[in-house]
Amino acid sequence: DGGITQSPKYLFRKEGQNVTLSCEQNLNHDAMYWYRQDPGQGLRLIYYSQIVNDFQKGDIAEGYSVSREKKESFPLTVTSAQKNPTAFYLCASSLGLSGNTIYFGEGSWLTVV
Amino acid sequence: AQTVTQSQPEMSVQEAETVTLSCTYDTSESDYYLFWYKQPPSRQMILVIRQEAYKQQNATENRFSVNFQKAAKSFSLKISDSQLGDAAMYFCAYKKPNFGNEKLTFGTGTRLTIIP
Repeated sequence: DGGITQSPKYLFRKEGQNVTLSCEQNLNHDAMYWYRQDPGQGLRLIYYSQIVNDFQKGDIAEGYSVSREKKESFPLTVTSAQKNPTAFYLCASSLGLSGNTIYFGEGSWLTVV
Repeated sequence: AQTVTQSQPEMSVQEAETVTLSCTYDTSESDYYLFWYKQPPSRQMILVIRQEAYKQQNATENRFSVNFQKAAKSFSLKISDSQLGDAAMYFCAYKKPNFGNEKLTFGTGTRLTIIP
């Protein structure tokens, strides 16, 4: 089936540890995104990538890092510098052309204790 | 900067009835795209409907339709014949059409409850 796969679905980590969330898509989309959602709020953009080996900061990039070595993959690392990392993280992708719809994965819950 | 406002944090509707969710946005652009996404308890964001600003005709998708008022910068979602499966958070979103700036700007959402 075509789609966007995020893993793990649930992740618990101790404070001060880095953690990497996986995002893979088989839709042949050029653009990929990471969003963060906090309880009762909308989505905020962390990073996005239009093409392989290129990515741009979104509105809340501090404390996060990404890579885009393959078209299909866009992993997000939540570093110890992120002050409040507990949240729901959504990966998304689109064809990358102007106006194309952005499609989302099922999300990953990260809890830092 | 673009902003999207959803002024109704919660709405409820009787099953089989019609409900309208409100959304307003602020932009200086003349060309853009607007979306409604649904987020059920599973938390996955599901596209409900999309509207191009240059099109005057309101978009429709089965029981879902929009009332797009460009001058008023209003983009409401109407759900007809509401079903229990429509219960979810609904987010309005805005996107500029420029290549290289693909990000969506979201509202804070409206939680829709369907009353059996």
